[in-house]
Amino acid sequence: KAGVTQTPRYLIKTRGQQVTLSCSPISGHRSVSWYQQTPGQGLQFLFEYFSETQRNKGNFPGRFSGRQFSNSRSEMNVSTLELGDSALYLCASSRGRPASYGYTFGSGTRLTVV
Amino acid sequence: SQQGEEDPQALSIQEGENATMNCSYKTSINNLQWYRQNSGRGLVHLILIRSNEREKHSGRLRVTLDTSKKSSSLLITASRAADTASYFCATDSSGGGADGLTFGKGTHLIIQP
Repeated sequence: KAGVTQTPRYLIKTRGQQVTLSCSPISGHRSVSWYQQTPGQGLQFLFEYFSETQRNKGNFPGRFSGRQFSNSRSEMNVSTLELGDSALYLCASSRGRPASYGYTFGSGTRLTVV
Repeated sequence: SQQGEEDPQALSIQEGENATMNCSYKTSINNLQWYRQNSGRGLVHLILIRSNEREKHSGRLRVTLDTSKKSSSLLITASRAADTASYFCATDSSGGGADGLTFGKGTHLIIQP
């Protein structure tokens, strides 16, 4: 079966712009989580969506937001981009919550802010 | 914030040898998971061990969990060049994933052919 699909794979944006990243979970998975990975801070939890509702949010500013659609696809948005937002953004899906069998991650979107 | 630390940060061994990585964490957990990442790509789920389990096996992988010491170890036996990757432990805290997974900094494993 198809894995978790993230688009686009690579993105270059200018400071101050906004960006939208997309994630399509595995069919039947209703939970979608987002993570940011940087060399300095490592992997950090952004937020989790389940059944179109944000269940939890990590310690990130309000510029980071997301949503989940009725087909479980999710988008995350970052407004007023800063250089420090350059990172690999990973999406993960699971059938339920908690993920009793672990999460399936996508290949990520690498965002570069210049 | 990081839940814990992996040890060592980097490990280089010869193909065929066993590789052991350790993970420590700080709070009570629902389960602990290990993931592999190749060259900045997505994470691959390797194994999950629940807080009431002490040891689990999956192919060449063996994971142990000591909740009294808040630590876990991942053993990869008979290593192969394809095992070269970064390995992360991640904790799912009690409360049903309230804060998502909390990852350690990772161990970079290099298998020399």
